[in-house]
Amino acid sequence: AQSVTQLDSHVSVSEGTPVLLRCNYSSSYSPSLFWYVQHPNKGLQLLLKYTSAATLVKGINGFEAEFKKSETSFHLTKPSAHMSDAAEYFCVVSTNSGYSTLTFGKGTMLLVSP
Amino acid sequence: GAGVSQTPSNKVTEKGKYVELRCDPISGHTALYWYRQSLGQGPEFLIYFQGTGAADDSGLPNDRFFAVRPEGSVSTLKIQRTERGDSAVYLCASRSTGADTQYFGPGTRLTVL
Repeated sequence: AQSVTQLDSHVSVSEGTPVLLRCNYSSSYSPSLFWYVQHPNKGLQLLLKYTSAATLVKGINGFEAEFKKSETSFHLTKPSAHMSDAAEYFCVVSTNSGYSTLTFGKGTMLLVSP
Repeated sequence: GAGVSQTPSNKVTEKGKYVELRCDPISGHTALYWYRQSLGQGPEFLIYFQGTGAADDSGLPNDRFFAVRPEGSVSTLKIQRTERGDSAVYLCASRSTGADTQYFGPGTRLTVL
């Protein structure tokens, strides 16, 4: 079985300040981990993914995440928030069982103020 | 190139009616997934197709839900005797063989009155 816990339902930051969105996972298998972003009335877009290569993963729009097996964490960070980053972010785990079925967290809404 | 498309974008129906939701995956993608996203929640897995066959339908909530993919491309999710609790956004995703990334469509927002 696999699960994802996003530790914050909402995160508020000011434009230009760092972003930290926290995620812990549980998986019986060696997992693949993803972050997806969902802008209002838009589809899910892949930000970045970890698939057992480098533990520090860089994604689009300046986001990155670090896989820490000992902490079962995959936190998402960005050095400087932009207004356009305001959206809902989902941490996602997938088994490497061949099916690649995704298990989503409940999401973290990122609010960016000027 | 064209992404995953879903039709209709919005569907309003009455309790007890039958609905069909369509998904057009990215051309050449053999794997196709359906997810359901209820308000304030993350998407939840419903069913996975590899080619024409449903390889995993463990996420379908009950036997009112059924999905097909007869030619290994377009898929239709069918819901019989709709209930108000079926109201949600239904998402489709596709993936190419050997890859690990799923690409999502914009979803169909289903409202059952």
